[in-house]
Amino acid sequence: DQQVKQNSPSLSVQEGRISILNCDYTNSMFDYFLWYKKYPAEGPTFLISISSIKDKNEDGRFTVFLNKSAKHLSLHIVPSQPGDSAVYFCAARERGSNYKLTFGKGTLLTVNP
Amino acid sequence: EPEVTQTPSHQVTQMGQEVILRCVPISNHLYFYWYRQILGQKVEFLVSFYNNEISEKSEIFDDQFSVERPDGSNFTLKIRSTKLEDSAMYFCASALTGQGRSPLHFGNGTRLTVT
Repeated sequence: DQQVKQNSPSLSVQEGRISILNCDYTNSMFDYFLWYKKYPAEGPTFLISISSIKDKNEDGRFTVFLNKSAKHLSLHIVPSQPGDSAVYFCAARERGSNYKLTFGKGTLLTVNP
Repeated sequence: EPEVTQTPSHQVTQMGQEVILRCVPISNHLYFYWYRQILGQKVEFLVSFYNNEISEKSEIFDDQFSVERPDGSNFTLKIRSTKLEDSAMYFCASALTGQGRSPLHFGNGTRLTVT
């Protein structure tokens, strides 16, 4: 059951460059998508979200893009900083649910100085 | 910044024992959740709680599990008779509103080890 897929287990980027993290989903009932960042021994920290009625949402260095026809979303971080090194989770919520989220497996981002 | 706090950070118990995991959600939040992450696997939804009752639960959340908000601040997850496969990191989360209108905030988790 892989309704939310993050196909890249890891990504390495140079400081100052753009990081692009990808996420695909299969469930057409998903209407709200979130990105979380997680450091070891901590809980997931909310980063940014997007509703299915939008195709882009921006918050500072973070931008999420949603392509509903392709069932694909991406998180862009620019410029990347060493402190961004963490595991990034994509999560999706079904229409009508509260926060019953379905998570991807995560992508480990390493930003090298 | 207000945060969700969970205790203990690590709990070791023997198979068949009852455990209670404790959480203090953010004080003005109204929606409460438990998630878990088995080592190497995805974060999985267990249960959501609003207005003193369960609003949604997953297949994982069977009769061995229960949740309670015993007072105005704590939110607990009880596992009645633990199994080896219950070993996981358990995350409590809370939100001000449902339906995704405010972010879901997670605690740092309780690592449950069942031996």
